[in-house]
Amino acid sequence: GNSVTQMEGPVTLSEEAFLTINCTYTATGYPSLFWYVQYPGEGLQLLLKATKADDKGSNKGFEATYRKETTSFHLEKGSVQVSDSAVYFCALLYGGATNKLIFGTGTLLAVQP
Amino acid sequence: DVKVTQSSRYLVKRTGEKVFLECVQDMDHENMFWYRQDPGLGLRLIYFSYDVKMKEKGDIPEGYSVSREKKERFSLILESASTNQTSMYLCASRSPREGRNTQYFGPGTRLTVL
Repeated sequence: GNSVTQMEGPVTLSEEAFLTINCTYTATGYPSLFWYVQYPGEGLQLLLKATKADDKGSNKGFEATYRKETTSFHLEKGSVQVSDSAVYFCALLYGGATNKLIFGTGTLLAVQP
Repeated sequence: DVKVTQSSRYLVKRTGEKVFLECVQDMDHENMFWYRQDPGLGLRLIYFSYDVKMKEKGDIPEGYSVSREKKERFSLILESASTNQTSMYLCASRSPREGRNTQYFGPGTRLTVL
C-alpha cells in the first residue's frame, strides 16, 4: 500500500546549521508529494510541494526534490533559524477521486541560538 | 486567505459523554477532512466529505461519526467518548477546482477524555 517514512526526531541544530530531514515513500503510480509544517500550538501549514518527478518545491529557504528513482523527497535548508523550530510532516497524495493525503509520523526540529 | 476554524482549542470531557467538534471553512471548499494526530503516528484520517451530505470513512473511523449539513461546516461526533480518543483533532478543507491538491488546516482541537 501507500506509505510515507520520515526520519525520527527530534533533530536538534544550532542556528545557521544545514538541515536535512529524510522522507521516502511507497506508492503505486505517481503521487504528489508535500511537506507540511506545524509551529507550536498551531495547525499544519503547507510548506512546499512537488507534483511530478524531478520537480523541486521551495519556500522560505526550504527545498525538496521529487526523486522517483530513490522514491524520496528530502527536505533541506541551508541555514536554519530559531523560528524554524517546528514539527515537519512529509505527505503524499494518492489520487483518482479520493485525493487523500498520507502523512509520515512527523519530525520535530529544535533550533538553538 | 483560506480560513479554517475549529470551535475549541482545548476540550476536556468525561468517558461516555457525547462530544461534538465543529469545523468551519470560509472558502466554499467542497472537500473537508477530519484527522487525529498522535505522537509517533502522525496524522490519520478519520472521515472525509466530498460535498454536502456526503461522507466517506477514512482509515480509523471506529468510534466516530460525522455530519455535513452545510457546505462550510463539518462536524465530528464522538457518540460515547473513551480515554483512547484523547488526541489532537485537525480539520482540513480543499477545493478540487483549485487544481493544486492543497489541503488547508485548522488550528486543531486538543481533546482530553478523563
